[in-house]
Amino acid sequence: NAGVTQTPKFQVLKTGQSMTLQCAQDMNHNSMYWYRQDPGMGLRLIYYSASEGTTDKGEVPNGYNVSRLNKREFSLRLESAAPSQTSVYFCASSRLGVELEQYFGPGTRLTVT
Amino acid sequence: QKEVEQNSGPLSVPEGAIASLNCTYSDRGSQSFFWYRQYSGKSPELIMSIYSNGDKEDGRFTAQLNKASQYVSLLIRDSQPSDSATYLCAPRKEGYSSASKIIFGSGTRLSIRP
Repeated sequence: NAGVTQTPKFQVLKTGQSMTLQCAQDMNHNSMYWYRQDPGMGLRLIYYSASEGTTDKGEVPNGYNVSRLNKREFSLRLESAAPSQTSVYFCASSRLGVELEQYFGPGTRLTVT
Repeated sequence: QKEVEQNSGPLSVPEGAIASLNCTYSDRGSQSFFWYRQYSGKSPELIMSIYSNGDKEDGRFTAQLNKASQYVSLLIRDSQPSDSATYLCAPRKEGYSSASKIIFGSGTRLSIRP
């Protein structure tokens, strides 16, 4: 099993460009998440999807959109990238339930110039 | 007040000693608590979870929870250089039963010196 995979690993964008970060999991998990991690800020939740067909905003959703394409895949889109979106982005997944662990992908390091 | 507070460190501990990592949280309703370890340049991985007041031991790791004081800690016994990492405290955010939503602290950087 690959677990949680993310593409790309690195990306440089110019201000105003758009792009989609891809995430897939092969653990048959119901819930998927997108986080960003900035120095001194910890992990902040952008969007999450409790199950296929549903998505909800997290702590910092502005400037992002998501699509839960199917049970395996959850993508994050930046429509018009800004320098403030320079960060490391992590996708995670977990089984549906109350007290369960989250499994993280390797991350995407995004720089917006 | 931040929802989760951790000393950012770095916390320097000699090899073989006990490392003590502390965390306070603001949501009195939190029932589940997680400790994640993150090596530099890598993604977080779960190392401990605790749900009840008291201690929970797993190998060299012990998680301690005091809900009345809104305090959770992680002890690492016989610290090894491989324990050098950032440790993230993460209480579960209650009220979101449709998904396991947790709030991460900014982490404590631990350095084990030989």
